[in-house]
Amino acid sequence: DAGVIQSPRHEVTEMGQEVTLRCKPISGHNSLFWYRQTMMRGLELLIYFNNNVPIDDSGMPEDRFSAKMPNASFSTLKIQPSEPRDSAVYFCASSQYSGGTGRYNEQFFGPGTRLTVL
Amino acid sequence: GDSVTQMEGPVTLSEEAFLTINCTYTATGYPSLFWYVQYPGEGLQLLLKATKADDKGSNKGFEATYRKETTSFHLEKGSVQVSDSAVYFCAPPPYGDKIIFGKGTRLHILP
Repeated sequence: DAGVIQSPRHEVTEMGQEVTLRCKPISGHNSLFWYRQTMMRGLELLIYFNNNVPIDDSGMPEDRFSAKMPNASFSTLKIQPSEPRDSAVYFCASSQYSGGTGRYNEQFFGPGTRLTVL
Repeated sequence: GDSVTQMEGPVTLSEEAFLTINCTYTATGYPSLFWYVQYPGEGLQLLLKATKADDKGSNKGFEATYRKETTSFHLEKGSVQVSDSAVYFCAPPPYGDKIIFGKGTRLHILP
């Protein structure tokens, strides 16, 4: 398996522009997570999905952020409009969730998208 | 919900020194516990895990024992190398509540 795939790897944009980050999870995984990492705040969970359904989006910082998972093999994180404080590395991760135990196996992370908003 | 407390870094050691990074947890029941590592410019990757109490996870010379009596999962390595310089994260798996990996523990190994 190719692992979790994220695109683009680097994105530089100007304040006010729309940014779309993409993620392809590992085939067979039924959970997907979006994280943001900065030096100041560390690694923060933004939102996660089980079976394509958003479970918890309380980590999404503002209404400017939105995430979708139209099918089991694709998810997007959109920022509109972008601001300089959104500059960070954004990671997507996937995992296998067991409804029986209510728990997840280990998460597999993508290489991240480094976003710079000027 | 489940959570972990991890020692803050940075931790700076000389090559071949002994390493311990402390991690304690609070959890409902005995979930699997994980250590992830993040090398510069990369995403997190699983370093080791333990799936039940008293279990020991090991990989690349690192070890961690899931101790229910002290609710700990400390990461240890007997002789660190420069290539071990990275950020280490202790984590339970998500279980309903918001999961925060935090800043992890940054490890610097000096040659």
